[in-house]
Amino acid sequence: EVQLVESGGGLVKPGGSLRVSCEVSGLNFNDAWVTWVRQAPGKGLEWVGLIRSNTDGGTTDYAAPVEGRFTISKDDSENTVYLQMNSLEAEDTAIYYCRPVVVISLTHYDYWGPGTLVTVSS
Amino acid sequence: DILMTQSPLSLPVTPGEPASISCRSSQRLLDGNGNIYLNWYFQKPGKSPQALIYLGSNRASGVPDRFSGSGSGTDFTLKISRVEVEDVGIYYCMQAQQVPITFGQGTRLEIK
Repeated sequence: EVQLVESGGGLVKPGGSLRVSCEVSGLNFNDAWVTWVRQAPGKGLEWVGLIRSNTDGGTTDYAAPVEGRFTISKDDSENTVYLQMNSLEAEDTAIYYCRPVVVISLTHYDYWGPGTLVTVSS
Repeated sequence: DILMTQSPLSLPVTPGEPASISCRSSQRLLDGNGNIYLNWYFQKPGKSPQALIYLGSNRASGVPDRFSGSGSGTDFTLKISRVEVEDVGIYYCMQAQQVPITFGQGTRLEIK
């Protein structure tokens, strides 16, 4: 059974930093592409960024609003993906979901974490 | 960026009746291998999104067969053959053809 445990959300002042984590179990972490998606209160889904699998180079891409402020990394030994958020703004207030995807025999397995709430406010 | 446009944004449906949601992309979604990187997701109130359809027409694991995805080029459709009360929530399309990955605005399905 796949389990995703997200942690690290909370209240932070504008300009501050926060790191959220997503610990993954029950799937082959080395083969997973992990995406972060956020959802502001009452709004739709917004892609934040992704980290490719080790097999595909482990590279990252980011959405324009967070480029240069957010960094995605992973610790393979801990099966954990991190989203480091710096220079936070009120507009970054949202639930942050991690979404690992693995492809096994052409079937896509697309999982979403429970989400962690990040509130940016003075 | 690829713009994803859903319609309708609100969809009242009587249980047992069919429902259909349209998603239009601003660019064709098709890679060199013939894959259509168009997914559908469902989000119940207060819950995380869950995968329904991937690569345009493939049901995700555990998704009931009353859900189906179709389409090509820039026009895609999610159909529910017989709506059930548990289908209430918001449906999103998403393109993964290129970064930035983009979502539609969401379609809110409600029971009449």
